[in-house]
Amino acid sequence: GAVVSQHPSRVICKSGTSVKIECRSLDFQATTMFWYRQFPKQSLMLMATSNEGSKATYEQGVEKDKFLINHASLTLSTLTVTSAHPEDSSFYICSARVRESGELFFGEGSRLTVL
Amino acid sequence: GQNIDQPTEMTATEGAIVQINCTYQTSGFNGLFWYQQHAGEAPTFLSYNVLDGLEEKGRFSSFLSRSKGYSYLLLKELQMKDSASYLCAALDSNYQLIWGAGTKLIIKP
Repeated sequence: GAVVSQHPSRVICKSGTSVKIECRSLDFQATTMFWYRQFPKQSLMLMATSNEGSKATYEQGVEKDKFLINHASLTLSTLTVTSAHPEDSSFYICSARVRESGELFFGEGSRLTVL
Repeated sequence: GQNIDQPTEMTATEGAIVQINCTYQTSGFNGLFWYQQHAGEAPTFLSYNVLDGLEEKGRFSSFLSRSKGYSYLLLKELQMKDSASYLCAALDSNYQLIWGAGTKLIIKP
């Protein structure tokens, strides 16, 4: 199957700093990428949907100014957590949809810890 | 409503085989995931099935039957490090992940 690479897999940062997480489709073009977040002891929740070349669509309750999503190319989407706080510590997963087939592939997630 | 069912806990012996079942009911379906999670750690992706059938990846295999709303994760040659929670999740038509509560797998020597 196709590969979605997510980087970094783990990141620790100080409160108030910004952190960028990259999601790359390595061997296919992805028209749409999705970002998920896992809350403690809860499910993974969809945060936003991003289409290449356009603004991301955020789910209700997700602060778009805090979680900046950029999908500048057909193989790369980035999630930037701005002015991170300890409550932003979580597990973030991206997924990418293959342009030709519509199949969906997931990255292996990024663990963010904000001190 | 949307629902995922999987056993709460299972016990198996080192070196043996164990099958963890998962049934799902979702609004639309875009695939089924299995994750492994050790206590205090992030979940680790194991498999993703969207077509019917069995996919094998080393000691782990995952099976999907879309018509039955059923999947299982098969673990062979169990090792003590396989003791963990195994989470089943289905992707619905809105690309929301619907999660099961997880199956705690206990491996005994």
